[in-house]
Amino acid sequence: DTGVSQNPRHKITKRGQNVTFRCDPISEHNRLYWYRQTLGQGPEFLTYFQNEAQLEKSRLLSDRFSAERPKGSFSTLEIQRTEQGDSAMYLCASSPMGGRRIEKLFFGSGTQLSVL
Amino acid sequence: RKEVEQDPGPFNVPEGATVAFNCTYSNSASQSFFWYRQDCRKEPKLLMSVYSSGNEDGRFTAQLNRASQYISLLIRDSKLSDSATYLCVVTSLNYGGSQGNLIFGKGTKLSVKP
Repeated sequence: DTGVSQNPRHKITKRGQNVTFRCDPISEHNRLYWYRQTLGQGPEFLTYFQNEAQLEKSRLLSDRFSAERPKGSFSTLEIQRTEQGDSAMYLCASSPMGGRRIEKLFFGSGTQLSVL
Repeated sequence: RKEVEQDPGPFNVPEGATVAFNCTYSNSASQSFFWYRQDCRKEPKLLMSVYSSGNEDGRFTAQLNRASQYISLLIRDSKLSDSATYLCVVTSLNYGGSQGNLIFGKGTKLSVKP
């Protein structure tokens, strides 16, 4: 399977715990995005990387959230001291960057986080 | 004003109907526009890109009006399998002037009935 892979598919945790999600993008894609989606809403942008550089981070993103893409391949998203409001589907997407234009995004199946 | 606004619906239409979705965006500097489709409990998938000249793909037609900052999607002869949420997407610009992140609308839910 050469699509975007996310692990785990589901994560249940207690409030206050830390969680980490992993995303493996399509291998030749240099852009990697993280989004969060709750029921009835569209995906909300969190952050994106071009290769290993984190180019943009949402102003809405709490400092409890951190993302890395150390070698420009896979990425991790960590949430520290989780809160019930963090419960959501966390979507990763990758894209080739054609010059200055964004090409289509390919999404993974997401990680569903439930904070109890 | 929200960056991307869509009528959330739901739109309930019979098979064979023509249905149109509209979307407005606030950033006049946006350069790329897309419609994504999302089935229940699935990830979004690209339906079509939207070009200034308008574009058509089978039963689907997308239009862009830059002056009004308005995007539309028309579905003709709707099928049961068209039932999904349709997400309007525009790009922002980062500080370097290249395309930044993609901003999604809340989506418009379509339900096609037999």
